[in-house]
Amino acid sequence: GAGVSQSPSNKVTEKGKDVELRCDPISGHTALYWYRQRLGQGLEFLIYFQGNSAPDKSGLPSDRFSAERTGESVSTLTIQRTQQEDSAVYLCASSLQPGLAGKETQYFGPGTRLLVL
Amino acid sequence: DQQVKQNSPSLSVQEGRISILNCDYTNSMFDYFLWYKKYPAEGPTFLISISSIKDKNEDGRFTVFLNKSAKHLSLHIVPSQPGDSAVYFCAASAKETSGSRLTFGEGTQLTVNP
Repeated sequence: GAGVSQSPSNKVTEKGKDVELRCDPISGHTALYWYRQRLGQGLEFLIYFQGNSAPDKSGLPSDRFSAERTGESVSTLTIQRTQQEDSAVYLCASSLQPGLAGKETQYFGPGTRLLVL
Repeated sequence: DQQVKQNSPSLSVQEGRISILNCDYTNSMFDYFLWYKKYPAEGPTFLISISSIKDKNEDGRFTVFLNKSAKHLSLHIVPSQPGDSAVYFCAASAKETSGSRLTFGEGTQLTVNP
């Protein structure tokens, strides 16, 4: 399909383990975002990539969280030494390059449901 | 600090009637507002947006109203259909923030009864 894809769709892990989540954005979309949705809450911004610019990491909750993006394609979000409070749905979104007005519609993937036991 | 708030966690309406979902924000730097719709086990899908230079935007059955002085926006769905049953998220962005980084409300579960 032509949409944003994420893998795995579900992940159960033990506390203290590392996990890696993957996002494939829509082809041609230079902007990529990661969000997190905890149970009963809204989406929480984590990190933003735009082309070759330095990513905006201001939303990452701790240094256990990191993300990388290969050029303008795949991105991986890594959570080291997972904790139970990391349990959430992790959503990736992509968009065309934000213009002068800074507004481009973000298209979301289906998310990865992470459960830390 | 919750900058975007949706105070109603749920709303139930009858098919054919109007659904009104509300959203309040506190950050006066927000200049673009969006509504997303989310079905279970799927990612949010974009529904409608409005720039702060407007007070109304309409797209078919969906209309978004913005009251900047009250820092309030609402989504009207007329007529409501059972397929509209989903969680609706209000979101906002500020020109000064990087890209189109969005700040989301907590969501409102809309149920449209046949």
